[in-house]
Amino acid sequence: EDQVTQSPEALRLQEGESSSLNCSYTVSGLRGLFWYRQDPGKGPEFLFTLYSAGEEKEKERLKATLTKKESFLHITAPKPEDSATYLCAVHGANDYKLSFGAGTTVTVRA
Amino acid sequence: GAGVSQTPSNKVTEKGKYVELRCDPISGHTALYWYRQSLGQGPEFLIYFQGTGAADDSGLPNDRFFAVRPEGSVSTLKIQRTERGDSAVYLCASSFLQGYEQYFGPGTRLTVT
Repeated sequence: EDQVTQSPEALRLQEGESSSLNCSYTVSGLRGLFWYRQDPGKGPEFLFTLYSAGEEKEKERLKATLTKKESFLHITAPKPEDSATYLCAVHGANDYKLSFGAGTTVTVRA
Repeated sequence: GAGVSQTPSNKVTEKGKYVELRCDPISGHTALYWYRQSLGQGPEFLIYFQGTGAADDSGLPNDRFFAVRPEGSVSTLKIQRTERGDSAVYLCASSFLQGYEQYFGPGTRLTVT
């Protein structure tokens, strides 16, 4: 069974203070690793898909990287509007459902 | 274009009642997924459709839960004899094809009293 563990559970940052979120996964044949952002009371918003170890993707202040066992979401010089819960999910070779971690809730103070 | 829409946004029902939750996917998306999210947790897979057929229903918790997608577009999740433990946010997602990135709707918050 696919498993995803995210750490830390919560992260409080000062505006401009860069940090990283971790997503460790166990999956039978990774087909894709996905990062989503979720604001309170809303559905997850797609950010990135990573397919193979060594791959990196960037969007504004966010950068996602992938190794064979984990993924990192780096937040560079965050702003208060980056405050959200960030979810990691994997897609195994044997199915098309997403298996999610519990998320990391990021709070950025001005 | 329009994203995934879900109705109602909120549903309060009494224990034992029947409820239907509706999902309207992004136009042109052939795959549709249902997830359930409890407070402080990530979404949990329930069922997915490729076209009109349920390709994987392994996440449905029991036979009180059923979902249909008769014309390959709109889907309805049906819950019979609701229980208080069914209270959660029910999320729908769609993707262009199975295996592509999934786009989520805003969810339906179900509360069973």
